Amino acid sequence: DTAVSQTPKYLVTQMGNDKSIKCEQNLGHDTMYWYKQDSKKFLKIMFSYNNKELIINETVPNRFSPKSPDKAHLNLHINSLELGDSAVYFCASSQVPGASTGELFFGEGSRLTVL
Amino acid sequence: SQQGEEDPQALSIQEGENATMNCSYKTSINNLQWYRQNSGRGLVHLILIRSNEREKHSGRLRVTLDTSKKSSSLLITASRAADTASYFCATERVFGAGTILRVKS
Repeated sequence: DTAVSQTPKYLVTQMGNDKSIKCEQNLGHDTMYWYKQDSKKFLKIMFSYNNKELIINETVPNRFSPKSPDKAHLNLHINSLELGDSAVYFCASSQVPGASTGELFFGEGSRLTVL
Repeated sequence: SQQGEEDPQALSIQEGENATMNCSYKTSINNLQWYRQNSGRGLVHLILIRSNEREKHSGRLRVTLDTSKKSSSLLITASRAADTASYFCATERVFGAGTILRVKS
């Protein structure tokens, strides 16, 4: 069984569209994250949720809205997509929130291409 | 926010050689972690070293931490072609840009 799964794996869309990426973890973790990896492989944290509550919200345009229906799911919705949103988005989970006292478990990534 | 910076950006070695990657960070930490990312895949946790530890081993991996210099190193001994990947250090959930390691067989 895949521990952290995200869908879709690939997403190609036009500028201005709205899209969502879904993430689910079956590890029983309380904390989930969204990271963005750009073309230079730099990985930047976007959001973190602990037990459905937002705990980290980095400087991200408000076109990005995370939603956590329960602690096993953290979805990312992006409105009015821009060219600069093209990247690979990674979902991750951990047992411990906040400071990195435990390892992160990553999904396989969702490659978003905005044309 | 603090950020790990890996050095070198890219490293190419022959199978069997050792590979050393370095990471520097800016502020105090609770621990530092190293991750590996194979091409097109998610990151996989390799090792965690706490701020009160100086060295840690896991199989062919050896990690050192120098909190006075705010730096860490990852040594992979007797490298294999399968070690080809990008390696990232992370502090407080913040990742550096990574070192691309290529091991030639």
